[in-house]
Amino acid sequence: EPEVTQTPSHQVTQMGQEVILRCVPISNHLYFYWYRQILGQKVEFLVSFYNNEISEKSEIFDDQFSVERPDGSNFTLKIRSTKLEDSAMYFCASRNRGLNWTDTQYFGPGTRLTVL
Amino acid sequence: LAKTTQPISMDSYEGQEVNITCSHNNIATNDYITWYQQFPSQGPRFIIQGYKTKVTNEVASLFIPADRKSSTLSLPRVSLSDTAVYYCLVGPTGGFKTIFGAGTRLFVKA
Repeated sequence: EPEVTQTPSHQVTQMGQEVILRCVPISNHLYFYWYRQILGQKVEFLVSFYNNEISEKSEIFDDQFSVERPDGSNFTLKIRSTKLEDSAMYFCASRNRGLNWTDTQYFGPGTRLTVL
Repeated sequence: LAKTTQPISMDSYEGQEVNITCSHNNIATNDYITWYQQFPSQGPRFIIQGYKTKVTNEVASLFIPADRKSSTLSLPRVSLSDTAVYYCLVGPTGGFKTIFGAGTRLFVKA
């Protein structure tokens, strides 16, 4: 069964550094998402991406964040200058337009970001 | 997007049927109800989705009353491996923004 993959599984960085989290969505999917989950808290929506542009973003997704689909397979999340509070699990998800227009998102295993 | 309310946690024993109810009083006409499951340190996993009445798949059933202001996820004969957090989401299909609530932490005991 096809799946969403994410790299790295764990990223440790110093405060103020830039990080890029990478995702490979399921190949025929058209809609892409990033979420984050701070330890012990709920999953929070960051951004959705369709047709090479951002569709929606949350208030968390400020100017420090950016997303890109640099080629036909990767989908990246960049945090320009990391803060301690960016430490969280980051999940990528992808979705296709199903026959019944369902909204099944397929999530990757996540990247654990630790900012020191 | 409609706000959802679920119990914070539930306990069950292996082999029992578990029903988790979600309230969504402000559900809109074009909203669907979707349930996800999340194990620790893993991404959420789609379980089931429905619009009205009853939906069943190999994993669970989803019961939605006529007024659609609530829904109940039913897990038949749970096992220890069903211990997870279950999220109820309400929104239009094809939407670009997905809001997860706090979810229900189900703990299945032997």
